[in-house]
Amino acid sequence: IAGITQAPTSQILAAGRRMTLRCTQDMRHNAMYWYRQDLGLGLRLIHYSNTAGTTGKGEVPDGYSVSRANTDDFPLTLASAVPSQTSVYFCASSAGGSTGELFFGEGSRLTVL
Amino acid sequence: GQNIDQPTEMTATEGAIVQINCTYQTSGFNGLFWYQQHAGEAPTFLSYNVLDGLEEKGRFSSFLSRSKGYSYLLLKELQMKDSASYLCAVRDSNYQLIWGAGTKLIIKP
Repeated sequence: IAGITQAPTSQILAAGRRMTLRCTQDMRHNAMYWYRQDLGLGLRLIHYSNTAGTTGKGEVPDGYSVSRANTDDFPLTLASAVPSQTSVYFCASSAGGSTGELFFGEGSRLTVL
Repeated sequence: GQNIDQPTEMTATEGAIVQINCTYQTSGFNGLFWYQQHAGEAPTFLSYNVLDGLEEKGRFSSFLSRSKGYSYLLLKELQMKDSASYLCAVRDSNYQLIWGAGTKLIIKP
């Protein structure tokens, strides 16, 4: 089934540890995004990539890094996790075009203690 | 600053009609989206409006007035499975999406 796969689905992490959230899509979409979703707030963009080999900073990029070595994969790394990074993280992709609707992965629930 | 406002929570009865409003103030406008998100799941695309007027898609319709910075999502013949959060998002002049916090819709039998 075509779509976006995220891993892990859930993780508890000690503060200070390094963590990489994985995201893979098989729809050959050029654009990919990482969002975090916190209670009472809208989705907030962390980083994005318009095409393989390029990345950009979103609204809340501090403490996070991404890479886009190929079209399919867009991992998100927390270099040294802090409790404020406790959140649900969604990876999304878009084919662009007139609508540019987003297709989301199932999310990764991260708890930093 | 950029801002999307929508009610935090609404309650409606199965079989009825409900209208979820969204007002926005953004730097430019390149389309408005509605997404549905069931608890614990990913958002899924519902509708897209870029011109003023009503877009109908089955039981769901979405309306846009660019001059008023206003949209609504209309859900007819409500079913229990429509219980979810509904997210309004606007694409600004930089083609970045600005998201509202979402409206949690509770359907009662």
